[in-house]
Amino acid sequence: DIVLTQSPGTLSLSPGERASLSCRASQHVSSNYLAWYQQKPGQAPRLLIFGASTRATGIPDRFSGSGSGTDFTLTISRLEPEDFAVYYCYQYGSSPPFSFGQGTKLQI
Amino acid sequence: EVQLVESGGGFVQPGGSLRLSCAPSGFTFSNYAMSWVRQAPGKGLEWVSSIHGDNSGAYYADSVKGRFTITRDNSKNTLFLQMNTLRDGDTAVYFCARDSVPRNGVFDAFDIWGQGTMVIVSS
Repeated sequence: DIVLTQSPGTLSLSPGERASLSCRASQHVSSNYLAWYQQKPGQAPRLLIFGASTRATGIPDRFSGSGSGTDFTLTISRLEPEDFAVYYCYQYGSSPPFSFGQGTKLQI
Repeated sequence: EVQLVESGGGFVQPGGSLRLSCAPSGFTFSNYAMSWVRQAPGKGLEWVSSIHGDNSGAYYADSVKGRFTITRDNSKNTLFLQMNTLRDGDTAVYFCARDSVPRNGVFDAFDIWGQGTMVIVSS
């Protein structure tokens, strides 16, 4: 089973700064089937990135995903106040079981 | 509007059972694989189970295998999660989620989520 490890656990930044969030897989993620989600308190997760680097519908271009194989990164180029939330990576490659990372909390 | 609405959560004693439902609207339900994801209080997301749109296969996390059963009734547009032999560790908000691409045989990222239904397992 693939284990996803996200780092850092908490990231403290200010609006306007650049954020880089890491997701490392214990095994190769097939077809780069890696997604990123944003979750705010009391809300369901929102899909940001799928296929490691494709932005979902309606996601601002300040969000970008990169990486392949076992190392993936979510970058937010210029933080807006509404970007402070918890971010999860999720792998859905080849066949189940699928898995989420433990999350990175992005805080001011 | 495309949406998912879960129901069936509640309070149950350890060893008990509960059946969750998820009602979709705004899209052709049978075209999409569906999944259940849970989140324990204050914790991260955990994939629980997925099922193909045509009912060709169902899959489970090790933590629930043998206790939970995912099913769907495409004629009634409903997704279910039958949860048996519940444990304290099953306490969580349970979300149903839709795959982003309408295709069989392959699973995709989730693009639509319900608001979640809370399950509390306690004596």
